[in-house]
Amino acid sequence: DIVMTQSPDSLAVSLGERATINCKSSQSVLYSSNNKSYLAWYQQKPGQPPTLLIYWASTRESGVPDRFSGSGSGTDFTLTISSLQAEDVAVYYCQQYFSTPLTFGGGTKVEIK
Amino acid sequence: QVQLVQSGAEVMKPGSSVKVSCKASGGTFSSYTINWVRQAPGQGLEWMGRVIPMFGIANYAQKFQDRVTITADKSTSTAYMELSSLRSEDTAVYYCARAQYSSDSYYTFDYWGQGTLVTVSS
Repeated sequence: DIVMTQSPDSLAVSLGERATINCKSSQSVLYSSNNKSYLAWYQQKPGQPPTLLIYWASTRESGVPDRFSGSGSGTDFTLTISSLQAEDVAVYYCQQYFSTPLTFGGGTKVEIK
Repeated sequence: QVQLVQSGAEVMKPGSSVKVSCKASGGTFSSYTINWVRQAPGQGLEWMGRVIPMFGIANYAQKFQDRVTITADKSTSTAYMELSSLRSEDTAVYYCARAQYSSDSYYTFDYWGQGTLVTVSS
């Protein structure tokens, strides 16, 4: 199984400041034939299901604000919120969909400082 | 607009089975896979398996292989997840989630159901 490790577990950021979340996979999720990393990011607010933010490591889902961006390839990935807004308070999960079982990171809780 | 609507909360006894439904609307049911993901209280997300309605084929995470059955009824655009031999550790919110189907690749979950709380308690 591919193990996804996120860091930090939580972080507190001031409104308007940058938030950075890291995700590392135990093996590469880069498919050489199409040069795509099978890595997604989800946002989950309390009492709600997750929503898709980013796929293919860096492609923003339709309707997602451009302050959210994803980067990385292979085994190391980053989700960046460029200017934190109050509505971004949530838990963020990375997920690999390279192989089954599909696996998620442990989550990173983002709060307002 | 795509919607996945799940059945209501359940309280089950240890050792029993639970069956949760997920009705899809607003899309072409057979063109996607329906996945099941669970989340124990205060914990992260865990993929259990998926069904490909087009073929009626299911794939399971090894952890759940012996206890879970995921099916789909194309006539009603509804997927089902049945978990047997329930124990207290199975107390969780169970989500269904849609993903694009391809024979040679997996895809992300673009729509999710609202979740179904299953509580296992004697």
